[in-house]
Amino acid sequence: ETGVTQTPRHLVMGMTNKKSLKCEQHLGHNAMYWYKQSAKKPLELMFVYNFKEQTENNSVPSRFSPECPNSSHLFLHLHTLQPEDSALYLCASSQEHTGPYNEQFFGPGTRLTVL
Amino acid sequence: GQNIDQPTEMTATEGAIVQINCTYQTSGFNGLFWYQQHAGEAPTFLSYNVLDGLEEKGRFSSFLSRSKGYSYLLLKELQMKDSASYLCAVTDSNYQLIWGAGTKLIIKP
Repeated sequence: ETGVTQTPRHLVMGMTNKKSLKCEQHLGHNAMYWYKQSAKKPLELMFVYNFKEQTENNSVPSRFSPECPNSSHLFLHLHTLQPEDSALYLCASSQEHTGPYNEQFFGPGTRLTVL
Repeated sequence: GQNIDQPTEMTATEGAIVQINCTYQTSGFNGLFWYQQHAGEAPTFLSYNVLDGLEEKGRFSSFLSRSKGYSYLLLKELQMKDSASYLCAVTDSNYQLIWGAGTKLIIKP
């Protein structure tokens, strides 16, 4: 079974839709992350959860709302998005979000297109 | 501000050697990662350097010079499957990962 899974893999939505992205990790990790990846730009960290507590929110617009019900699951709820939000959304997990060695394991991503 | 620089794109020939450079300016340093990302797939871990010097792992090696804020990833005996993007990332003093934009490596027969 793959370590980090994400669904759906592709999503097309209108600006008035509400949708959710799901991430699940099977690695027994305690930290989970949402990243936005746009073409030719560095990965943008959006949210971090460490032991189910949100520890980072990097000035992300409120139209993105994360939810972490337990250490294995992470959601990203989407509402009233803009076309510039179209990107690849990556979920990752790591043992913890502390310490210098923070190897992160990534899911395959959700390719989001906002019309 | 914090910054990671790496070339946008490189081209190399199958069987050859290629070196992908990464320079960084970050608030503190707690290690440098290299990840590989094939198109449409998840980034996967390649290497981690925290001390100066060369780390070798099969066909791939990674080098770090902390005094110069510089690293490189060396790929030997290139294969077509090595065509991918290579991401450099640095852990800063707050243990945050700062990412480069990635280098797209194109391998030609």
